[in-house]
Amino acid sequence: DQQVKQNSPSLSVQEGRISILNCDYTNSMFDYFLWYKKYPAEGPTFLISISSIKDKNEDGRFTVFLNKSAKHLSLHIVPSQPGDSAVYFCAASADTDKLIFGTGTRLQVFP
Amino acid sequence: GAGVSQSPSNKVTEKGKDVELRCDPISGHTALYWYRQSLGQGLEFLIYFQGNSAPDKSGLPSDRFSAERTGGSVSTLTIQRTQQEDSAVYLCASSPHAPALNQPQHFGDGTRLSIL
Repeated sequence: DQQVKQNSPSLSVQEGRISILNCDYTNSMFDYFLWYKKYPAEGPTFLISISSIKDKNEDGRFTVFLNKSAKHLSLHIVPSQPGDSAVYFCAASADTDKLIFGTGTRLQVFP
Repeated sequence: GAGVSQSPSNKVTEKGKDVELRCDPISGHTALYWYRQSLGQGLEFLIYFQGNSAPDKSGLPSDRFSAERTGGSVSTLTIQRTQQEDSAVYLCASSPHAPALNQPQHFGDGTRLSIL
């Protein structure tokens, strides 16, 4: 069963606009959520995280929102830049170090 | 080193052969993890080390897979009698503490394993 779901395999956004990537989860025990960015032939790079005690965390152009009642989180990138084009993975953990990953969303930012 | 280092970066081998993948975590990181990513899939957890012990091996897909960590540093993942379905990118990650205390895991660039 897929505990972390990213239902949009791809997203295309114009440079300067907002990119919104979504993630849903099923396990109510998850208490820590992360977003990773991955370029081809490289490992995932940590982007931003949020603890379940918060509903928002912001770092520069990146903001993660957590809606625990809906078991939903999203990553907002604004303004989007061409260098943001990559695959974005949502991940979650439940009081252990094991991360459960979604299948990823490929973001393309075009000029 | 500055980041997680994995070797080899690519490995092509024949079905039935054994392979050994190596991970060198970030210096001082006590927790080490192995994941794999099959084509078109997300990352799948394999095993986690705290120091030299492995509290969670739940993700190892079969008894052909094993891993060890020595000296609280380098880890090797061994796959015996490889099968074609073992073809994937094998990723290693490390973090400073375990339990994670909400510390992100930092990944290497992976080993791309292809079984012919």
